[in-house]
Amino acid sequence: KAGVTQTPRYLIKTRGQQVTLSCSPISGHRSVSWYQQTPGQGLQFLFEYFSETQRNKGNFPGRFSGRQFSNSRSEMNVSTLELGDSALYLCASSLVGTGSYGYTFGSGTRLTVV
Amino acid sequence: GENVEQHPSTLSVQEGDSAVIKCTYSDSASNYFPWYKQELGKGPQLIIDIRSNVGEKKDQRIAVTLNKTAKHFSLHITETQPEDSAVYFCAASKSGGGGADGLTFGKGTHLIIQP
Repeated sequence: KAGVTQTPRYLIKTRGQQVTLSCSPISGHRSVSWYQQTPGQGLQFLFEYFSETQRNKGNFPGRFSGRQFSNSRSEMNVSTLELGDSALYLCASSLVGTGSYGYTFGSGTRLTVV
Repeated sequence: GENVEQHPSTLSVQEGDSAVIKCTYSDSASNYFPWYKQELGKGPQLIIDIRSNVGEKKDQRIAVTLNKTAKHFSLHITETQPEDSAVYFCAASKSGGGGADGLTFGKGTHLIIQP
């Protein structure tokens, strides 16, 4: 079955702009989480959505936001981009509530802010 | 919040030898401990996980052990092969991996298999 799909794979933006990243989870997975990966900070949790509701949020400023649609697809948005937002953004989906756990990650979107 | 420490940051072993990566966690409420392998240009891939009610789990050449009292868990890879070369991450979660509280990751271990 298809894995987690993230688009686009690469993105270059200018400081001050905003960006929207997209994630399609594995079919049947209703939980979608977002992570930021940088060489200095490693993998950090951004937020998690389940049934279109944000259930938890990591320690990131309000410039980072997200949403989930009724088909479980998710988007994250970063406004007023800063150089430090350059990172690999990873989406992960999870099957919740059936006793089966574990996240499946997508290949990520590489965002470069110049 | 939870803090996960991972050691070593780089590990070089001869092909065929064993590799061990260790992690400690701070929050005794954590109950789910996955290990991920990340290859260049790809997202992390789950290779094995363990829940707090189990002390050890094995899957072919890979095993994970958990010591709840000491709050540490380890990944053991036996008979290492060139394709095991990658970055390995440990993580911890309080929600059983179901998603709500997210995963707290270690900083990663770059495993190098020398031919």
